[in-house]
Formats: sequence, C-alpha cells, structure tokens
Amino acid sequence: DIQMTQSPSTLSASVGDRVTITCRASQSVNNWLAWYQQKPGKAPKLLIYKASTLKSGVPSRFSGSGSGTEFTLTISSLQPDDFATYYCQQYDSYGTFGQGTKVEIK
Amino acid sequence: QVQLQESGPGLVKPSETLSLTCTVSGASISPYWWSWIRQSPGKGLEWIGYIYYSGSTSYNPSLKSRVTMSVDTSKNQFSLRLSSVTAADTGVYYCAKGGEPPEDWGQGTLVTVSS
Repeated sequence: DIQMTQSPSTLSASVGDRVTITCRASQSVNNWLAWYQQKPGKAPKLLIYKASTLKSGVPSRFSGSGSGTEFTLTISSLQPDDFATYYCQQYDSYGTFGQGTKVEIK
Repeated sequence: QVQLQESGPGLVKPSETLSLTCTVSGASISPYWWSWIRQSPGKGLEWIGYIYYSGSTSYNPSLKSRVTMSVDTSKNQFSLRLSSVTAADTGVYYCAKGGEPPEDWGQGTLVTVSS
C-alpha cells in the first residue's frame, strides 16, 4: 500500500499570506496526485490533478508542484474562503488520501 | 453541471449488507468512471473503488472481499454494496464522477452500523 503523509496537520495563517502544504508518498506515484479542499459538512472539492493541473473554475491562487514522492500545494494569497481542510490523494496505485491539513485563521 | 445524490439506509445492523445508490443528473453515466469514497473520524478519507459505465471495476484491496459495485445505465445510477459490516464501516459515504481522480462529488450520506 502507498501511504500519504501531509504536513503540517494544522496551519495558522492570515488573509494575504502565502501558504504551502506538503504531501509525501511512501513510494513514487509519478505525477498521479490530486489536491482537494473540504469545508465542514461538505464534500471534498477537487482543486488540482496530475500534480499541477488546475481544475477548471479553481482560482489561480492555487497551484501544485512536485513529482515522484514529494508534492506541494501553494495558495499564493490566502483568502477568507480558503480556510478549510486540504487533502492530497495518490491515484497511481488504487487511491490513498493523506490525513489532511487544516488551514485556520491566525 | 453534473449532480450526484446518494441514497440508502442510514442505519445498518452489524453483519448485514450496506447498500447505497447514486443517482446522476446533468450527465450520462457513459462513458465515465464512477467512484465511491467514505470518510470516518477514525480513518479519514478512504477510497472504496470505482466502476466504469461498462461494468469494469477497481476496488480497494482492503475492502475487495466485501465490495460489489454495479451500474444501471437505464436509470443513470450506480450502486455500492458492502457486506458483513461492522462498526468500523460507519461513516459518510460519497459517490463521485471520475475515477482517477474523483472530480465531482455528491453531498454524502451518513451510514451508521449499529444494532
């Protein structure tokens, strides 16, 4: 099984901050990596797939990078609507999610 | 804009079979992949598997012995059956369009396993 580890688990930030979340895989997943945003009581929303491809309609302040075993999600300028929990998912071998990173207001 | 709606019993007894249906609107079941994912406080998000409109499937190896997915193209629906459930199967179950990765999700339905 491929294990996905996100860091940090919680991140405190202010509006306008640049935010970076890291996701590490226990083995290479090539570029088969997705990022989701989830708000309380709602379903996860796909932001990025294939490590760096922004889903249509997702604001350009979100970006993804990385390959192999290490990936990052960056929010260039945090907006009030961005306070949420973020998950990575590998889909190279079946599908495994990270444990999540909660972005909270500082 | 595709919309997905999960339906099924919210309470299932231990050792019985959990059955859920996802009704798709705004898109045809073909020619896409369709996923099931669940979320619980203890295990976080867990990929259950996905099914192609033609019936091909891929299941999570840890659940494979208990999972069956099916598609009904005439009703634009797909379904999940999970047998021999225990309390560990309690959680919110989501259906989604797409397999790699799931791209549009339903709102989710809470299933509790309890006697």
